[in-house]
Amino acid sequence: AQTIHQWPVAEIKAVGSPLSLGCTIKGKSSPNLYWYWQATGGTLQQLFYSITVGQVESVVQLNLSASRPKDDQFILSTEKLLLSHSGFYLCAWTRQISNERLFFGHGTKLSVL
Amino acid sequence: GDSVTQTEGLVTLTEGLPVMLNCTYQSTYSPFLFWYVQHLNEAPKLLLKSFTDNKRPEHQGFHATLHKSSSSFHLQKSSAQLSDSALYYCALSGSSNTNKVVFGTGTRLQVLP
Repeated sequence: AQTIHQWPVAEIKAVGSPLSLGCTIKGKSSPNLYWYWQATGGTLQQLFYSITVGQVESVVQLNLSASRPKDDQFILSTEKLLLSHSGFYLCAWTRQISNERLFFGHGTKLSVL
Repeated sequence: GDSVTQTEGLVTLTEGLPVMLNCTYQSTYSPFLFWYVQHLNEAPKLLLKSFTDNKRPEHQGFHATLHKSSSSFHLQKSSAQLSDSALYYCALSGSSNTNKVVFGTGTRLQVLP
């Protein structure tokens, strides 16, 4: 069975500090990977997606970057956090077939102070 | 590009009344449509996915019919329950082979006793 693990579960960070969020998918080779962001009380916004190692497409950057260093790993990062980065970050995957459903991780709650 | 439009904001209704959340889409191709549900402090989960053969998907009492003529995939339930209170997202994928999933802005459903 496939599993998706996000880390950390929650973070409290200072404005201007760096951030790195991670996501690992086990049990599935070559998945499509996605990062979504949700402001508190807000709706889902797709940030990045990747269909293969080393290749990442940006949808909305929000002063963030993403990388896929391994087939099963997706990293979201920034060197300087803004207050507006606060929210809920969700990693998701689909099979490498069109029209497939998304499987979401449990998410990371980020508070920037 | 592809887009999804949902009933805006908050929908409030009384337990036992029927539910209808609107979803329309724009796409050059024939995408698949999805409904995801997100309960408070949880990740979104798949509720329904459209079929290619015009069958009507059903799950947990919810159903939705894909109408290509009107580009709609409205979510319906005959009788709302308190536990249905959540955020509902309509999404499309599989269009133009980009592997990009496009979400609507979400509709928050609040069911009152």
